Amino acid sequence: DVKVTQSSRYLVKRTGEKVFLECVQDMDHENMFWYRQDPGLGLRLIYFSYDVKMKEKGDIPEGYSVSREKKERFSLILESASTNQTSMYLCASSLPGAHNSPLHFGNGTRLTVT
Amino acid sequence: GDSVTQMEGPVTLSEEAFLTINCTYTATGYPSLFWYVQYPGEGLQLLLKATKADDKGSNKGFEATYRKETTSFHLEKGSVQVSDSAVYFCALMFNFGNEKLTFGTGTRLTIIP
Repeated sequence: DVKVTQSSRYLVKRTGEKVFLECVQDMDHENMFWYRQDPGLGLRLIYFSYDVKMKEKGDIPEGYSVSREKKERFSLILESASTNQTSMYLCASSLPGAHNSPLHFGNGTRLTVT
Repeated sequence: GDSVTQMEGPVTLSEEAFLTINCTYTATGYPSLFWYVQYPGEGLQLLLKATKADDKGSNKGFEATYRKETTSFHLEKGSVQVSDSAVYFCALMFNFGNEKLTFGTGTRLTIIP
């Protein structure tokens, strides 16, 4: 079974801190994604990556960056956390041809910025 | 741009009731359509999908039919169980080009015994 592991379930950070959210998948998937989930807004794509060292902006990349140095690991970085980045963050991975291969999600990291 | 619209929640039903969760989409072209489910405390998982018009996706007693004429992909189940309580997300993806899923806002379903 595919496993997508997010390093923290809950995080509390202060405004202005640099925050790293880590995601690791164990099935050699090429594609990896970061979404944020907010009530009434559903899931919104922040960044995605089709391969090592590749990254593409999603729909809401402002205030975020990503790193993919190894195929299995995709990190989301908040350079200077702000209160409007308080949210649930979901990482996902998939094989290429994702319309035939489902996204596999981690259990999420709930980030609170105070 | 492409978008997915789901019925507002929350939805509360009694066990064994019939369920419909409406989903319509706006897209240029013909996307693949998906339903994902998120059980409490977990990430999302694929429930069912349909990749072309008139396809019916089904899984765990849930069904949805891709209706091109009404741009809809409504989720149905004939008899819901308490264990179906979850948040349900409708989503679309195009078959060519980038492989991004566009999600609806989600519908929270609670089944009471």
